[in-house]
Order: sequence, then structure tokens, then C-alpha cells
Amino acid sequence: GAVVSQHPSWVICKSGTSVKIECRSLDFQATTMFWYRQFPKQSLMLMATSNEGSKATYEQGVEKDKFLINHASLTLSTLTVTSAHPEDSSFYICSARDQGGGGTEAFFGQGTRLTVV
Amino acid sequence: QKEVEQDPGPLSVPEGAIVSLNCTYSNSAFQYFMWYRQYSRKGPELLMYTYSSGNKEDGRFTAQVDKSSKYISLFIRDSQPSDSATYLCAMRRSYNQGGKLIFGQGTELSVKP
Repeated sequence: GAVVSQHPSWVICKSGTSVKIECRSLDFQATTMFWYRQFPKQSLMLMATSNEGSKATYEQGVEKDKFLINHASLTLSTLTVTSAHPEDSSFYICSARDQGGGGTEAFFGQGTRLTVV
Repeated sequence: QKEVEQDPGPLSVPEGAIVSLNCTYSNSAFQYFMWYRQYSRKGPELLMYTYSSGNKEDGRFTAQVDKSSKYISLFIRDSQPSDSATYLCAMRRSYNQGGKLIFGQGTELSVKP
């Protein structure tokens, strides 16, 4: 299957600072990538859809000014958590579809565990 | 009511058992159905993908979709301790619907040696 790489796999930051998470499609081009958030023992909650070359589409209740998404190329999307607070601590996961390959499956990165202290 | 319902478990079975995991859904527009396996602190890994109703088999895994009942299943034969993980069902309305997946809560499975 297609490979999606996410970096870093974990990060600890101080309250009030910003953290950037990268999501790369390694062997395919992804015009669309997705960012999810997952709390312990809960399912994935879609935060936003990242579109290459245009503004991201945020789900209801997700603050776009707090969770900045940039999708500057067909293989890279970034999520920046601005002015992070302890309640932002969570597991963040990106995914991408290999639309060029004609598939409908979404492949996920390995996730980033963010801890805000 | 959630769009996709999945029993969170935990489900514990002995090694070699047949495991049955299920999800129900409420939206008849869902056409694409997937099962993901997620190990602790890792991203989900795609296991099975099916379109519309029917069965699909891949090794020890069989996925079933019954659209008339809005019910999907994943069967694991000859379960192994390495199958211990959380299994998430997911579904999508259409190919070009922005690709948004709706996930179930996930079922935590433990296979005991």
C-alpha cells in the first residue's frame, strides 16, 4: 500500500508555544489530505480536509486560527497547533488518498502524540 | 444517534478462535466500507476495503457488507496474539465526496496465547 509519513511521532511543548506536524505522501501524490484527532480509547475525529493549493476545509467546532493547515505541495501537508494549551494534548493523525492510482482507500501516517505541559 | 456504531469491547479470545467484529450504520448513502487495525500509539492500518454489499476474503480476514441491514462485519480466523489491537470500521458516502471517512469507535481485541 501507499506510504504516508508523519513527523514527529511525539512532541512535548510548553503551554503557549506553537508546534508544527508534517505529513508526507512518500510514493504518491495526494491532492487531498486529512487531519484527525484521537483521544484515548476513542475514535478518530476529523478536524479538517487539506487541499493542495487552496484553503483547508475545517469541520464544525474546529478553530481554524488555532489549527493552521498548509498544503503547499502534492506530497506535503502541515498542521500547526498555535498557542498550545494542555487541552490540546492528543494524538494527531493525518491520512491521504492515492487518487492518482484510482484507489479509494485512505492511508494513514503513524500519528503524532502531542503533550502540552 | 451516531452515524456509525461499534461496540468498543474489550473483546478477549483465546488464540486460534474465530473473531467476529461488527458495525452498524444509519446512513444508507454509505457505499465504501473499510476496516482498519490500530496498534497502541500507532496510526490505523488498512486491512480490508469493500464496495457495496458482498463478501471479500484476504487470508485469515473476511469482510462482509449487508447494505439492506446496514451492517458490516470483519471475521478473523485462527486468531493470533499479534492480532491484538483496536479494529476500526470506516465508511464513505461516495468516491468524490471529499474522501471523508466516518469511523466507528473501534473495538479493542485481545488474543490470549
